[in-house]
Amino acid sequence: GENVEQHPSTLSVQEGDSAVIKCTYSDSASNYFPWYKQELGKGPQLIIDIRSNVGEKKDQRIAVTLNKTAKHFSLHITETQPEDSAVYFCAASRNSGNTPLVFGKGTRLSVIA
Amino acid sequence: EADIYQTPRYLVIGTGKKITLECSQTMGHDKMYWYQQDPGMELHLIHYSYGVNSTEKGDLSSESTVSRIRTEHFPLTLESARPSHTSQYLCASSESGGHTEAFFGQGTRLTVV
Repeated sequence: GENVEQHPSTLSVQEGDSAVIKCTYSDSASNYFPWYKQELGKGPQLIIDIRSNVGEKKDQRIAVTLNKTAKHFSLHITETQPEDSAVYFCAASRNSGNTPLVFGKGTRLSVIA
Repeated sequence: EADIYQTPRYLVIGTGKKITLECSQTMGHDKMYWYQQDPGMELHLIHYSYGVNSTEKGDLSSESTVSRIRTEHFPLTLESARPSHTSQYLCASSESGGHTEAFFGQGTRLTVV
């Protein structure tokens, strides 16, 4: 089955700096890669996703890149703000109706003001 | 704001008690999931369902059971709670098909004493 590795497990950045979180996956058939943000006391929430027919996707200060050959994808947050502090999860799945998302272990991001 | 609700938010119970964690969604989603989240953040899939009368075990062995009698309702039951069941439990739902966003509830924090 799919295995998703996520690094780093913790990340501290100064406000205004960029943050990068990286994930690798094992199943070459995976073709959907979402990123979730979990704030304290809440469930994870989708912030951006990318499909395997696209190499990069941006939404304001966040972007995701995908390298299918190397089987890795990354989340980039620019101009970080204190409200970006949270736990971030990457995930991967196939475009099969009955395959659950496989999550990475999470990255705790702290943005220091 | 996701229309998926978990009750209770917090629960402290004694060892040996039977408990049911409730999860309901009003989005008409066919897929529903239960995750156990440990203090180290990692999300472990314990049960999932792709529709009424369909339930599957996830990757993490769990002594809990689930039922899916109605589309909107996916309760999780522990017949005899133990301290090792102390954890955060997250319920999620998504539409059928691949590449669909998972919506999470706020979670139930269970403590077994």
